[in-house]
Amino acid sequence: EDKVVQSPLSLVVHEGDTVTLNCSYEVTNFRSLLWYKQEKKAPTFLFMLTSSGIEKKSGRLSSILDKKELFSILNITATQTGDSAVYLCAVEADSGGSNYKLTFGKGTLLTVNP
Amino acid sequence: DAGVIQSPRHEVTEMGQEVTLRCKPISGHDYLFWYRQTMMRGLELLIYFNNNVPIDDSGMPEDRFSAKMPNASFSTLKIQPSEPRDSAVYFCASSKYLDRGRDEQYFGPGTRLTVT
Repeated sequence: EDKVVQSPLSLVVHEGDTVTLNCSYEVTNFRSLLWYKQEKKAPTFLFMLTSSGIEKKSGRLSSILDKKELFSILNITATQTGDSAVYLCAVEADSGGSNYKLTFGKGTLLTVNP
Repeated sequence: DAGVIQSPRHEVTEMGQEVTLRCKPISGHDYLFWYRQTMMRGLELLIYFNNNVPIDDSGMPEDRFSAKMPNASFSTLKIQPSEPRDSAVYFCASSKYLDRGRDEQYFGPGTRLTVT
């Protein structure tokens, strides 16, 4: 069974701190790894990673994938209160023919205090 | 574009009743996904459609759950009969592609279902 494990489950920091969120996975026929941010409503897409070692960056957020060690990290620098959310990691895998599976981790709840 | 539209936003129903959740994907998106999110199990993919055809329903928990997509702009997820353990937030999402590097999914606001 495919697994995606995120750590920590929750994290409380002060504005300005840098945080690193972790996602490890065990899947068959890996395609890509995705990061989402979920505030009060639906998840919103952050990054898709398919290749090892190539950092994706968007403002203060960045992410990298290690396909050998089967993990990814999401970094947020100079955190702001608006970064408070649940960050979800998901892994896409091929499941035969044109089928596809998506497995989510339980998420990391990040709270940024002023 | 209005984004993915789901209705109702909240539903409270009694055990044994039929529940129908509705979704309108983003126009032009060929893929539609139904998810369920609970505290215990996190976010789970239930089923997805390509061009209105169900491709993989292996995530559907049991026969009480069914999903249809009669046309490109409408899908339903039905639970009959509903049980308290079905209480969750149900998300619908759509994407244009399912190819490597191009399959960003856009989520709807979700339907919060409570079965008493």
